[in-house]
Amino acid sequence: DAGITQSPRYKITETGRQVTLMCHQTWSHSYMFWYRQDLGHGLRLIYYSAAADITDKGEVPDGYVVSRSKTENFPLTLESATRSQTSVYFCASSESPYQPQHFGDGTRLSIL
Amino acid sequence: RKEVEQDPGPFNVPEGATVAFNCTYSNSASQSFFWYRQDCRKEPKLLMSVYSSGNEDGRFTAQLNRASQYISLLIRDSKLSDSATYLCVVKEYSGGGADGLTFGKGTHLIIQP
Repeated sequence: DAGITQSPRYKITETGRQVTLMCHQTWSHSYMFWYRQDLGHGLRLIYYSAAADITDKGEVPDGYVVSRSKTENFPLTLESATRSQTSVYFCASSESPYQPQHFGDGTRLSIL
Repeated sequence: RKEVEQDPGPFNVPEGATVAFNCTYSNSASQSFFWYRQDCRKEPKLLMSVYSSGNEDGRFTAQLNRASQYISLLIRDSKLSDSATYLCVVKEYSGGGADGLTFGKGTHLIIQP
């Protein structure tokens, strides 16, 4: 069962380029989240969404943009990529904010 | 500032042994608690929720101590496949709720044959 899928799995790009990471879930969960994971920092919340057309900033939102026009999709865009955004990005979803979150496989993003 | 603290380890434990690790949290308003497991370069996966009365799932037991603001995870009869990083996750109920999720940095466990 796919559940929640992220694409691409791996991405290499250059500084200044725009890149979009995709996230799709089949559970019809209301809540979706984007995290980045770096050594020494653990998982940090970038943005989250409580429903279609409702998004809000997390702990580290600068340099990122999200949208949620459909419940099942929650793309994350780096408008002008910087080297500091090299990281592993995880998308997650949950039925409510109080339920455990379920994670996608992650996108390994390298910015040269 | 919300914080969740874990001993990063690594904990090196022989196969078959019992291992326990704790996680402390700073926000007394925290209401939901979870343990996640993360294998190297993979996504975090829910191991178990932690309930006020404590709960058990097979070889795993989770405990919550609200007075001292810590949760614990006990693994009995450890297996080689238990080698992973264990993430403590704490959540508080606040407004929309979603921004209350805080992850610890994880405890690295290595089970040795």
